[in-house]
Amino acid sequence: DTAVSQTPKYLVTQMGNDKSIKCEQNLGHDTMYWYKQDSKKFLKIMFSYNNKELIINETVPNRFSPKSPDKAHLNLHINSLELGDSAVYFCASSQEGTHYGYTFGSGTRLTVV
Amino acid sequence: AQSVSQHNHHVILSEAASLELGCNYSYGGTVNLFWYVQYPGQHLQLLLKYFSGDPLVKGIKGFEAEFIKSKFSFNLRKPSVQWSDTAEYFCAVIGYNNNDMRFGAGTRLTVKP
Repeated sequence: DTAVSQTPKYLVTQMGNDKSIKCEQNLGHDTMYWYKQDSKKFLKIMFSYNNKELIINETVPNRFSPKSPDKAHLNLHINSLELGDSAVYFCASSQEGTHYGYTFGSGTRLTVV
Repeated sequence: AQSVSQHNHHVILSEAASLELGCNYSYGGTVNLFWYVQYPGQHLQLLLKYFSGDPLVKGIKGFEAEFIKSKFSFNLRKPSVQWSDTAEYFCAVIGYNNNDMRFGAGTRLTVKP
């Protein structure tokens, strides 16, 4: 069983399009995250959701919007895609207070052409 | 907010050589520390973690790390690397009172057969 699953694994799209990446975790964790990994492998946190409440937003453009229909899902919507949005996006989850680290999904490689 | 510095951008070793990757963090309180590994094209996997107690922690695949509080360091070590250890290694920190994991810029390890 996959603990944190993301779909799609690869996404190629044109500039200006709107796209979504889905993430689901079956660990019962109460917090989920989105990270962006750029071409230099640098990992930057974008969002986290705890009990449907956004608790971190690291100066991400408002073209990016997280949506959490329930505790097990945190989807990422991106409007008006730009070339600079090309990156690998990782979803992760954790249980608040246990400090056992995060469990990561396998990533979504987004390429904007 | 906490931050993490990894001093080595790219390390190249021959098989059987010993490895030490540097990691320093900046945070004004108790922290939990982690090392993650990312094999080419894959997601991040937890190598080891430190919460409290013995500052020398052992992880998977023969890796270990030592927490030196006075130096704000958490260096990763392995006595004898293998070709299969070729990957990107990330140090990460979570402040004790929050759930926000921050990553270092990563160190790319290349092991020559």
